[in-house]
Amino acid sequence: QVQLQESGPGLVKPSETLSLTCTVSGGSISNYYWSWIRQPAGKGLEWIGRIYASGGTNYNPSLKSRVTMSVDTSENQFSLKLSSVTAADTAVYYCARDGRGATSDYWGQGTLVTVSS
Amino acid sequence: DIQMTQSPSSVSASVGDRVTITCRASQDISSWLAWYQQKPGKAPKLLIYVASSLQSGVPSRFSGSGSGTDFTLTINSLQPEDFATYYCQQANSFPRTFGLGTKVEIK
Repeated sequence: QVQLQESGPGLVKPSETLSLTCTVSGGSISNYYWSWIRQPAGKGLEWIGRIYASGGTNYNPSLKSRVTMSVDTSENQFSLKLSSVTAADTAVYYCARDGRGATSDYWGQGTLVTVSS
Repeated sequence: DIQMTQSPSSVSASVGDRVTITCRASQDISSWLAWYQQKPGKAPKLLIYVASSLQSGVPSRFSGSGSGTDFTLTINSLQPEDFATYYCQQANSFPRTFGLGTKVEIK
């Protein structure tokens, strides 16, 4: 059973960079796309972007100038960096695997990131 | 970006009821549509992909239909564990976009 676990600081100061890592267990990171999705409290889901195991990426244009994703196949991990954060970036951040139908079939439990000084 | 419009935004129903949720895309997405269920404090769970394919392990009371711009999620014989928020998502183009959600509440 594939499992994903997000990790990273829960509090980030405004203008700094949010950094999260997703560790994949129970399966290989190879041959799949891996996504980041976020959800502000009480609101809907926003797709941030995805990365292939070989490193190819697709980013949401609304965030593209601030987003960097990377993958470490040796550690079975992939990462998200979001620069110049503001309070509007406060959300639960999920990592997920793109499976059948290019949809997210396995999700991490989510991690709350708060942007505040 | 493709806009996904879900209706209703909320529905009150009883155990055993049939519930139908609709999702409309702002342009043709063929069958590239998924449905997710989310319970409070939990990650979304994939129910349906490519409009009508049931994800492994999902009860058969859930079904999806539609193509092009109009899609439907149907829950037959609603069970207590089905009270949750449901989201549609298009997987036709980037950026992936979600509907705003439909909350299924207990009547």
